[in-house]
Amino acid sequence: DAGVIQSPRHEVTEMGQEVTLRCKPISGHDYLFWYRQTMMRGLELLIYFNNNVPIDDSGMPEDRFSAKMPNASFSTLKIQPSEPRDSAVYFCASSLLPKNIQYFGAGTRLSVL
Amino acid sequence: TQLLEQSPQFLSIQEGENLTVYCNSSSVFSSLQWYRQEPGEGPVLLVTVVTGGEVKKLKRLTFQFGDARKDSSLHITAAQTGDTGLYLCAGRGGADGLTFGKGTHLIIQP
Repeated sequence: DAGVIQSPRHEVTEMGQEVTLRCKPISGHDYLFWYRQTMMRGLELLIYFNNNVPIDDSGMPEDRFSAKMPNASFSTLKIQPSEPRDSAVYFCASSLLPKNIQYFGAGTRLSVL
Repeated sequence: TQLLEQSPQFLSIQEGENLTVYCNSSSVFSSLQWYRQEPGEGPVLLVTVVTGGEVKKLKRLTFQFGDARKDSSLHITAAQTGDTGLYLCAGRGGADGLTFGKGTHLIIQP
């Protein structure tokens, strides 16, 4: 298996623009997690899905953030409008069961100017 | 909110030296995981400890879970340049998500 695939790897945008990050989990994994990593706050869980259904979105910072999982092989994290403080590395991870090993993608480095 | 404090935040030592990094919390976790992250990559799981007092060894790495399941340590013997990276601990409480510490940035100099 190719592992968790995230795109794009790097995104540079201007404040106010819409940003969409994409994730393809490992085939057969029922759980998908979105994390954000910054030097100040470390790695934070934003939201996670089970069988395409959002289970806990309490980590989503603001209404500007939204996440969807239209099918078992694809998820998006959208920021609209983006702000400079959203600059971070965003990771997607998947696991077979909730308490199993989480496999992380390589991340998307977002810079909002 | 469950918090994990990792120390030190940064550590730079010479190849061949030993080191210990720590992960502490005031909360009890059902299990605790250690990850290693290299630049430009996502975290990769090294080990999971579940039982209080548990010790696990992975080659030159020794992981220990505190008796009260609130803290953990990672000891590296005879560090190598390949050990360089960000070491993250993550605790699992009652929910399905993980709570991560901010990590220890480890640099092993040749």
